[in-house]
Amino acid sequence: EVQLVESGGGLVQPGRSLKLSCAASGFTFSDYYMAWVRQAPTKGLEWVASISYDGGSTYYRDSVKGRFTISRDNAKSSLYLQMDSLRSEDTATYYCTTETTGPSGYFDYWGQGVMVTVSS
Amino acid sequence: DIQMTQSPASLSASLGETVTIECLASEDIYDILAWYQQKPGKSPQLLIYDASSLHTGVPSRFSGSGSGTQYSLKINSLQPEDFASYYCQNGLSAPRTFGSGTKLEIK
Repeated sequence: EVQLVESGGGLVQPGRSLKLSCAASGFTFSDYYMAWVRQAPTKGLEWVASISYDGGSTYYRDSVKGRFTISRDNAKSSLYLQMDSLRSEDTATYYCTTETTGPSGYFDYWGQGVMVTVSS
Repeated sequence: DIQMTQSPASLSASLGETVTIECLASEDIYDILAWYQQKPGKSPQLLIYDASSLHTGVPSRFSGSGSGTQYSLKINSLQPEDFASYYCQNGLSAPRTFGSGTKLEIK
């Protein structure tokens, strides 16, 4: 059974940093692209970042480029999101997901999510 | 970026009814479209990909159709567990974009 378990969320002041982690199990982690998708309170879904199988390629939405860094450790079956210079608009639940590749990009398995609140 | 417009934003229906949710892409996405279900307090789950293919374990009362820029999700014979929010997603191009969601409530 695929399991994705996020951790590292919490309350942080604007301008500060936070690092999210996602522990994966139940599948061969290195065979999958991985992604972070977020959802602001009572709002819809928003893709944040994706990373290739070996971490050699990374992709970000414009609003987080230069502030967020996605990375992975295949030996530990873990995904990370380093979030710097946080803003109030980054407040959301962050989901770790697997991402299909090829001509299509879908998010086929999701973690339970971790809440990040950016507030003074 | 490809914009995904979903309708309606909310929908009330009774158990056993059939409902349809629409999704309009701002440009042709060549059937590279997914639908997700999200129950309150839970993470989204993939229902349908490539516009009409059911993800593993999804009941056959769910179906997807469409082409070009217009797509729909149909749920036959609504069950209690189907009352949730539904989102479409462009899987063709980056950035991956989602519709704003449809909340399906019990009448």
